[in-house]
Amino acid sequence: QKEVEQNSGPLSVPEGAIASLNCTYSDRGSQSFFWYRQYSGKSPELIMSIYSNGDKEDGRFTAQLNKASQYVSLLIRDSQPSDSATYLCAGRRTSYDKVIFGPGTSLSVIP
Amino acid sequence: EAGVTQSPTHLIKTRGQQATLRCSPISGHTSVYWYQQALGLGLQFLLWYDEGEERNRGNFPPRFSGRQFPNYSSELNVNALELEDSALYLCASSLIRGAETQYFGPGTRLLVL
Repeated sequence: QKEVEQNSGPLSVPEGAIASLNCTYSDRGSQSFFWYRQYSGKSPELIMSIYSNGDKEDGRFTAQLNKASQYVSLLIRDSQPSDSATYLCAGRRTSYDKVIFGPGTSLSVIP
Repeated sequence: EAGVTQSPTHLIKTRGQQATLRCSPISGHTSVYWYQQALGLGLQFLLWYDEGEERNRGNFPPRFSGRQFPNYSSELNVNALELEDSALYLCASSLIRGAETQYFGPGTRLLVL
């Protein structure tokens, strides 16, 4: 069983729509969660982190965490073609532990 | 401020050879992480170095090893290369041990023939 799972996609949404990316994790000891964005041929970059149950908003991005359900999601409002990328969900137990990445979900925003 | 740098950008080896990949973290960063990104497998954690010591290791065989130098740069060595070692190897650094944000380098693409 993979520790962090994501639908590989591709997920296609029209420009201006809400893109919803989902992630589940198996380690109940995980405390911190991260969303990284990776453009094709580029390196991952951190876009959101979340530690507590509930929602965390940053501009057009909202991360949601439900520890009871072991579920993390990322919502992208008003999706733009420039949001087309692979989104990597990741988690770790403590700041002294390794970060475990999911396989990523490919998002395509259609103009 | 210069980002994380890695060398070489591409590396071609044959089975059984050894590969050495290098990483220079962002100035002031003490932690260096190594990941393998193979097609369809996502980012797999390899090694974590901080202050010159190995802090954590992923589920890879011992032929994957590395070290961190006093200037915090790092080296990843892969011995007895196998075809399935072909992948993009990414290095990341963080300001302090366990910091939230890891900054990734451009990667070294290793091809084993």
